[in-house]
Amino acid sequence: GAVVSQHPSWVICKSGTSVKIECRSLDFQATTMFWYRQFPKQSLMLMATSNEGSKATYEQGVEKDKFLINHASLTLSTLTVTSAHPEDSSFYICSGQGIGYEQYFGPGTRLTVT
Amino acid sequence: EDQVTQSPEALRLQEGESSSLNCSYTVSGLRGLFWYRQDPGKGPEFLFTLYSAGEEKEKERLKATLTKKESFLHITAPKPEDSATYLCAVQGGSQGNLIFGKGTKLSVKP
Repeated sequence: GAVVSQHPSWVICKSGTSVKIECRSLDFQATTMFWYRQFPKQSLMLMATSNEGSKATYEQGVEKDKFLINHASLTLSTLTVTSAHPEDSSFYICSGQGIGYEQYFGPGTRLTVT
Repeated sequence: EDQVTQSPEALRLQEGESSSLNCSYTVSGLRGLFWYRQDPGKGPEFLFTLYSAGEEKEKERLKATLTKKESFLHITAPKPEDSATYLCAVQGGSQGNLIFGKGTKLSVKP
């Protein structure tokens, strides 16, 4: 099956610093990648959609200057949380979509901002 | 507005006790309905895609069905390892993103 990896799996950072999360499709080319955020006991909330080589499309209420997304290749997308604050602490999950409609999810990254 | 509602929120079963999870949806032009399994602290694991009413798919103890308004995930003779949160999502219209339900947390006791 299609495999998506994320790195790091967890990260702790201090308030005001920036954190970069990588998302890679390992065995397929992801023409579109999605970034989600999930708070405890809640479902996934879409943050943004990115197509390779294009600017990301952000969902309403998501600050594009705070959550920088780069989709440099068909197998790599990055999410950078800039000037992180404690309220940004969450579980961040990416997914990749290839030719079909299915999205394959990464294992997630737990971000804790102190 | 596209919407997905899952019920029940939580379901406790004894090992071997079959049951069904429900996913009701409203969407403009369904492109696909997806079922995922999510274990705590992990990303969702893809289970099934259903495209049209009447379609059914099976995988081990799981069977997913689809009508024009809802989907069911039937679990036959569940085992403790089936314990997880099951997420339903739809993709509709011209959008590529998925609209997720809040999930059903399934617990199977031995």
